[in-house]
Amino acid sequence: GAVVSQHPSRVICKSGTSVKIECRSLDFQATTMFWYRQFPKKSLMLMATSNEGSKATYEQGVEKDKFLINHASLTLSTLTVTSAHPEDSSFYICSARERPITEAFFGQGTRLTVV
Amino acid sequence: QKEVEQNSGPLSVPEGAIASLNCTYSDRVSQSFFWYRQYSGKSPELIMSIYSNGDKEDGRFTAQLNKASQYVSLLIRDSQPSDSATYLCAVVTNAGKSTFGDGTTLTVKP
Repeated sequence: GAVVSQHPSRVICKSGTSVKIECRSLDFQATTMFWYRQFPKKSLMLMATSNEGSKATYEQGVEKDKFLINHASLTLSTLTVTSAHPEDSSFYICSARERPITEAFFGQGTRLTVV
Repeated sequence: QKEVEQNSGPLSVPEGAIASLNCTYSDRVSQSFFWYRQYSGKSPELIMSIYSNGDKEDGRFTAQLNKASQYVSLLIRDSQPSDSATYLCAVVTNAGKSTFGDGTTLTVKP
């Protein structure tokens, strides 16, 4: 299958700082990328959907000013967690797909710990 | 009613048995159907895709789709302990909207 690379895999940051997570599609052009959050033993929670060159669409309850998403190219999307707090600690996962009805491939995930 | 429903499990089967995972969906314009496997602490990985009614086989995995009943299933033959994971059903409409079920946890006992 196609490869989606997500970095970093783990990050620990201090409360109040910002963290940027990158998601890259390595062998295909991703017209759409998705960002999820997952707590231990819980299901995936979609945070936002981003299409290349346009603003991300955020799910209800997700603060767009706190979780900044940029999809500047067909192979790169970034999620920036601004002014992180301990409650933002979670597993963040991106996925990408080439066309609307095709499969999406997931990145490896980023485990964020805010201390 | 959730858009995509799966039994949360846990589903437990002995090694070598057939594991049957089920998923129902509510949006009739759904067009693409996917099964992902997620090991604890890891991100989901795609294992099967199915787009038309009927069965699709890939190794020990068979996906079954019945659009009239709005039902998609995954059969795992000769289950192995390494198949123990959470299996996620994903449904995509013709407009590109993607929805995941909450997943079914499968345990294969040696």
